[in-house]
Amino acid sequence: GAGVSQSPSNKVTEKGKDVELRCDPISGHTALYWYRQSLGQGLEFLIYFQGNSAPDKSGLPSDRFSAERTGGSVSTLTIQRTQQEDSAVYLCASSADRDNEQFFGPGTRLTVL
Amino acid sequence: SQQGEEDPQALSIQEGENATMNCSYKTSINNLQWYRQNSGRGLVHLILIRSNEREKHSGRLRVTLDTSKKSSSLLITASRAADTASYFCASYYNQGGKLIFGQGTELSVKP
Repeated sequence: GAGVSQSPSNKVTEKGKDVELRCDPISGHTALYWYRQSLGQGLEFLIYFQGNSAPDKSGLPSDRFSAERTGGSVSTLTIQRTQQEDSAVYLCASSADRDNEQFFGPGTRLTVL
Repeated sequence: SQQGEEDPQALSIQEGENATMNCSYKTSINNLQWYRQNSGRGLVHLILIRSNEREKHSGRLRVTLDTSKKSSSLLITASRAADTASYFCASYYNQGGKLIFGQGTELSVKP
């Protein structure tokens, strides 16, 4: 079966523009995570969806960041009024249950000029 | 911050040698996982060890967990050039429902 997919793979945008990043998790996985990774750094947790529960948004760095997960499947991470410090690789992962291994997508490399 | 720490930050060895990476975490965990990352993109899960386990093996990988010291180690035996990558530990805490990743160890295996 297909793994986690993310689109676009690369996104270059101008400061101040809004961007949307998409994640298609593995079918049937109830948990979905978004992380951010700056060059040479570890993973920074952003947001976590588990089934129909309210998402854990504790990692979102500012109110310019938001995410939705529609129908318990596809998720979109939106960054409004992008800043240069938003430049990073944004990684999505899904798992069958919240404490199981996570399967990662290839990431979206965001560059804000 | 709940984020754990890994050491060393970078490790360079010769092919055939063993590589050991260490990870420490902050509070009680449900499990601890190790991941590998090539070229700064998606991570690949390597192994999961639960809090009631002390050691686990998978091929050339050996993971240990010491809950009294809140630490784990990943041993890669008989390393190969293809093992060159970044390795991350991730702690699943009893509270919070999410994995917290360490900063990673960059392993370079020279042929």
